[in-house]
Amino acid sequence: GENVEQHPSTLSVQEGDSAVIKCTYSDSASNYFPWYKQELGKGPQLIIDIRSNVGEKKDQRIAVTLNKTAKHFSLHITETQPEDSAVYFCAASQNYGQNFVFGPGTRLSVLP
Amino acid sequence: NAGVTQTPKFRVLKTGQSMTLLCAQDMNHEYMYWYRQDPGMGLRLIHYSVGEGTTAKGEVPDGYNVSRLKKQNFLLGLESAAPSQTSVYFCASSTRLAAFEQFFGPGTRLTVL
Repeated sequence: GENVEQHPSTLSVQEGDSAVIKCTYSDSASNYFPWYKQELGKGPQLIIDIRSNVGEKKDQRIAVTLNKTAKHFSLHITETQPEDSAVYFCAASQNYGQNFVFGPGTRLSVLP
Repeated sequence: NAGVTQTPKFRVLKTGQSMTLLCAQDMNHEYMYWYRQDPGMGLRLIHYSVGEGTTAKGEVPDGYNVSRLKKQNFLLGLESAAPSQTSVYFCASSTRLAAFEQFFGPGTRLTVL
């Protein structure tokens, strides 16, 4: 089955700097890769996603890149702000379907 | 809209006790899911449902049962709780056409002593 690894497990950056979180997946049949943000005491929330027919997608300060050959994808956050502090999860699924396999998460701390 | 709500928010059980977690959504979503979240392991799918009266096993279904008698509700049952079921449980829902976008509830923290 699919296995998703995520690095780093914790990340601290200064406000205004960029943050990068990387995920690798094992199943070449996976074709949909969402990123979820989980704030303290809340459920995860979808922030951006990418499909296998696209190499990069951007939404304001957030971008995701996908390398299908190497089977890895990354989340990039620029000009980080304190409200970006949260746990971020990557995931992978097949057929744009509902059965995600999640990575273990990255705790991002943005220091003022 | 309240979105996805979960009841209760916290619960402490003794080994062997049973309980039911309730998930409700008011978005008329066809699909609903139960996950558990453990430190360092992300979210793992327990069971899911693609419609009223239908359920299916996910990645870690053992020790749990589910029911979807109404479209808006998805129940997760623990018949005989074990300490290994100590976790935070999240319910989620999505539409059939956009199953990739899941909306999560706030979670239930369950401790089994």
